[in-house]
Amino acid sequence: ILNVEQSPQSLHVQEGDSTNFTCSFPSSNFYALHWYRWETAKSPEALFVMTLNGDEKKKGRISATLNTKEGYSYLYIKGSQPEDSATYLCASLNRDDKIIFGKGTRLHILP
Amino acid sequence: DTEVTQTPKHLVMGMTNKKSLKCEQHMGHRAMYWYKQKAKKPPELMFVYSYEKLSINESVPSRFSPECPNSSLLNLHLHALQPEDSALYLCASSRAQRNEQFFGPGTRLTVL
Repeated sequence: ILNVEQSPQSLHVQEGDSTNFTCSFPSSNFYALHWYRWETAKSPEALFVMTLNGDEKKKGRISATLNTKEGYSYLYIKGSQPEDSATYLCASLNRDDKIIFGKGTRLHILP
Repeated sequence: DTEVTQTPKHLVMGMTNKKSLKCEQHMGHRAMYWYKQKAKKPPELMFVYSYEKLSINESVPSRFSPECPNSSLLNLHLHALQPEDSALYLCASSRAQRNEQFFGPGTRLTVL
């Protein structure tokens, strides 16, 4: 994988349900994986920065895992709320400080 | 102050105009970034400044000229742009390169 791929592109989830989505990135020359949340009409906001294989990070109802050997990260949202509606971007940073963003997963929470 | 500010919010310019985008942060961050984002595409890194020195230039055409006058300010000077340069231009900063980035709200640029 040379690019950063995110799936699905778009997701509709019922309020209260849990969900997850994926970020795939180049595993060679890897340094860090960033997750950002981008709400409409706002600036992207950092969620997590992960560097080590097996890293798990948590912020409230949102958590993320990292597998650097196979080049993927999962973002989990437990008990989705309307305020979770946003585009979730991941970005892969390599050891040459090159950063590549994925296209994002657009999450819609249905009331 | 934990904000990155960008001015202007919107800019419409002709292909012969010269204009500048401005980005400011007062968090003491030493790395600052310019990204270009077109609709339905991910943000694309253009430039990175680290400690006020240009660290990365992602082969950006010379009609885009970055400038970092001090550690709080980052400018992007625009000259002889093309209509395909129309996009959202995002500025970000981080404590150092490789740290989490704090983004501004962006400048929506339209080139006629």
